[in-house]
Amino acid sequence: DTGVSQDPRHKITKRGQNVTFRCDPISEHNRLYWYRQTLGQGPEFLTYFQNEAQLEKSRLLSDRFSAERPKGSFSTLEIQRTEQGDSAMYLCASSSSPTSGFQETQYFGPGTRLLVL
Amino acid sequence: AQTVTQSQPEMSVQEAETVTLSCTYDTSESDYYLFWYKQPPSRQMILVIRQEAYKQQNATENRFSVNFQKAAKSFSLKISDSQLGDAAMYFCAYKSDNSGYALNFGKGTSLLVTP
Repeated sequence: DTGVSQDPRHKITKRGQNVTFRCDPISEHNRLYWYRQTLGQGPEFLTYFQNEAQLEKSRLLSDRFSAERPKGSFSTLEIQRTEQGDSAMYLCASSSSPTSGFQETQYFGPGTRLLVL
Repeated sequence: AQTVTQSQPEMSVQEAETVTLSCTYDTSESDYYLFWYKQPPSRQMILVIRQEAYKQQNATENRFSVNFQKAAKSFSLKISDSQLGDAAMYFCAYKSDNSGYALNFGKGTSLLVTP
């Protein structure tokens, strides 16, 4: 399978603990996105990477959240001092930069479901 | 910021029938993209169909088609010959062509397909 993969698929943690999620994009994709999806809502944008550069961050990304994409391949999303309000599905998506005649499409991974107790 | 509204939390359709899901959006931009994504239960989100705002012709992908009304800022999805496998959450999404890289999603419509 050459789609977007995420690890772990599920994570249960206690309030105050740190958690880290990993996303492996489709191999030739240079763009990578993180979204958060809470129950009954659509995904909300968190941050965007083009290669290794983090080019956009949402206001949702508080200082307890940090994302990296060190070599322009996989990405990690870390949440420090987790709170119950962080419980959500964290989705990763990847895409290629649009070129002439080719439009960008974001392909989503299966997500990591986080439960903070 | 652009907002996307899906006013139908749930819809139901019988197998082989046609159903239309509604989506409206608010923007001051002229260049943008619109998408419908499908999220089956416990499965990942997949793209159903996309529409470029500069194109007047409505996009079609097999049994899926859209009715894009730019002036009304409306982007509905029509599913023809509904199948049991079409049951899922459907999300409408907006992407600016000029500012930002994010998809802005609506809250979704849950589609139930009955035999």
